[in-house]
Amino acid sequence: GESVGLHLPTLSVQEGDNSIINCAYSNSASDYFIWYKQESGKGPQFIIDIRSNMDKRQGQRVTVLLNKTVKHLSLQIAATQPGDSAVYFCAEAPWAGGTSYGKLTFGQGTILTVHP
Amino acid sequence: NAGVMQNPRHLVRRRGQEARLRCSPMKGHSHVYWYRQLPEEGLKFMVYLQKENIIDESGMPKERFSAEFPKEGPSILRIQQVVRGDSAAYFCASSPPPGTGEQYFGPGTRLTVT
Repeated sequence: GESVGLHLPTLSVQEGDNSIINCAYSNSASDYFIWYKQESGKGPQFIIDIRSNMDKRQGQRVTVLLNKTVKHLSLQIAATQPGDSAVYFCAEAPWAGGTSYGKLTFGQGTILTVHP
Repeated sequence: NAGVMQNPRHLVRRRGQEARLRCSPMKGHSHVYWYRQLPEEGLKFMVYLQKENIIDESGMPKERFSAEFPKEGPSILRIQQVVRGDSAAYFCASSPPPGTGEQYFGPGTRLTVT
C-alpha cells in the first residue's frame, strides 16, 4: 500500500545553520506533497507544498525539493531559528480529478531541535 | 478570518461513554477532514466530508465512529462506547472548494478515556 515515511526521526542544529529534513514515499502515483510544522499541543501548520510536475519550490526561508525518480522529498530551512523547533511532517495527497485532491497521508515526523 | 475551530480542546470520558467532537471550518471552506494522532505518531486520515455528504470514510473504524457535516452548523465526529484505545488527539482540517490539498488544521481535541 501507499506510505510516506521519514529517514531521520530527530535532527539537532545550531541557530543560524541550514536544516534539511527528508521524506521518502512509496506511492509512485502521488501527485501532491505538503510539509507541515507541528508545535507541541497545536495542530499542524502548513509550510509549503509542491505538485508532481515540479521539482523545486521556494518560500520564505524554506525550499522543497521533489525527486520523483527516487521518490524522495526534502524540506530545507535556511538560517534555522529556535522558533523553528517543532515536529515536521511530510504528507502526500492523490489526484482526485479536476483540481481536487483527497485525503492526506502523513509520514511519522522528524523532531527538529534548534540550539541557540 | 478566524481559523479552523475545534471544541472542546480537552475531553475526558469514561469507558463506555460517548464522545462528541466539533469542528467549525474556516469561513468559505466547504470541505472538512478528520484525522487522528496517537502519541509519537503522524496523523492518520479518518474521514472527508462536504456539506451533507461523506466523500471518503476509508479511515473510519467500522464500528462506534460516525461523522457528519450538516447544512448548518459544525462538523461532528462521534465516538460511541469509547474505549481506552480511542485516547488520542483528533484534528479537523478544512479546505476551500474544490477540495484542494492545502488543508488548514484546527488546534485539535485531546480525548482521554479513563
